[in-house]
Amino acid sequence: GAVVSQHPSWVICKSGTSVKIECRSLDFQATTMFWYRQFPKQSLMLMATSNEGSKATYEQGVEKDKFLINHASLTLSTLTVTSAHPEDSSFYICSARGGTSTETQYFGPGTRLLVL
Amino acid sequence: AQKVTQAQTEISVVEKEDVTLDCVYETRDTTYYLFWYKQPPSGELVFLIRRNSFDEQNEISGRYSWNFQKSTSSFNFTITASQVVDSAVYFCALSEAGTGNQFYFGTGTSLTVIP
Repeated sequence: GAVVSQHPSWVICKSGTSVKIECRSLDFQATTMFWYRQFPKQSLMLMATSNEGSKATYEQGVEKDKFLINHASLTLSTLTVTSAHPEDSSFYICSARGGTSTETQYFGPGTRLLVL
Repeated sequence: AQKVTQAQTEISVVEKEDVTLDCVYETRDTTYYLFWYKQPPSGELVFLIRRNSFDEQNEISGRYSWNFQKSTSSFNFTITASQVVDSAVYFCALSEAGTGNQFYFGTGTSLTVIP
């Protein structure tokens, strides 16, 4: 149980385009989902927290107009990187919390974004 | 201040050796949770264990064991008879009931098991 999927796993795009990343909880209802960013050899940096049906809460320094988060259902959250630039290249990981364990976050496999 | 400290950045051991990964945390909450996750080269974070602040019992799961000591604010992780497949980055994390169970991650310890 507690499986989280993420799609796509890899994306390469041109500068200026928008990229959408999907995060799904496959076998439980996720009341809360989280989006993280991870640079090489570094820890995870929380970008935002989203609760189903409400606006996401962004961490300080994260541009909400740049990183659009939608949590439309209890099993799906999306992160859209708008007008991507090379500095947005990173590893993006989502996690979901819910089901029988409301404290544990279960992580998706991550999405590697490369902006050319 | 760093809420979770993993002082060991990189560790290398020879296969079959035991290895302990240290984790020290800081919190004023009385209700909190501690976690360990494994991140292999593929990138996915794999959940290993969760302990709550009211349960100081140590836990063993196969070759893995965890030592939770509130007196020293530590939650150390030991791998017995290490294997090459244990090579990964291991993250310790803290969540506090008082901050909505947001995760605070340590900086991770990169473990390399040499065959």
